[in-house]
Amino acid sequence: AQRVTQPEKLLSVFKGAPVELKCNYSYSGSPELFWYVQYSRQRLQLLLRHISRESIKGFTADLNKGETSFHLKKPFAQEEDSAMYYCARLVGRGSNYKLTFGKGTLLTVNP
Amino acid sequence: ETGVTQSPTHLIKTRGQQVTLRCSSQSGHNTVSWYQQALGQGPQFIFQYYREEENGRGNFPPRFSGLQFPNYSSELNVNALELDDSALYLCASSQGNRAGANVLTFGAGSRLTVL
Repeated sequence: AQRVTQPEKLLSVFKGAPVELKCNYSYSGSPELFWYVQYSRQRLQLLLRHISRESIKGFTADLNKGETSFHLKKPFAQEEDSAMYYCARLVGRGSNYKLTFGKGTLLTVNP
Repeated sequence: ETGVTQSPTHLIKTRGQQVTLRCSSQSGHNTVSWYQQALGQGPQFIFQYYREEENGRGNFPPRFSGLQFPNYSSELNVNALELDDSALYLCASSQGNRAGANVLTFGAGSRLTVL
């Protein structure tokens, strides 16, 4: 089974500190991985996807196939980064696909 | 461009009852997926609809069923409700191809409480 593991349920840092949210996946071929974010009272939204190799709101995530990880990082956390973060893996082919989510990490950035 | 809209936003049912949740997909999207998010958990895939047919299903019993209409909107029906069905039900729309999978757009969800 395709699994996505987020080992930390809660993560608390101070403003300006670096932050890393961990995500590991079960190995199988070439994974397509995403980070989704849910701010308080807002809907789940895509933060970034590994195929784009992009930086969104200062966050980056690098796929490490050797460690089967896709950790989310930001060098200087801001209070507005406080949210629930979900790592997800795309499974399927063609028009038949689904996302397998981790359980999520609640990030709190303290002033 | 309109986003994904879901209704109702909240509802309360009792065990054994039936519920229907509705979803309007984002303009231009032809695929709808449903996810269940229990408290403290990540979303879990229920099923996906593409061209009005079920196109993939997660580990949910047959009492979870759905429909997709010609305008790509969708319904999720749950029969014989159980207490464990209490959750936030999320609808996501996308294009029905691999590229579309990279742009799933989620609705705000319908929060179901089963008493």
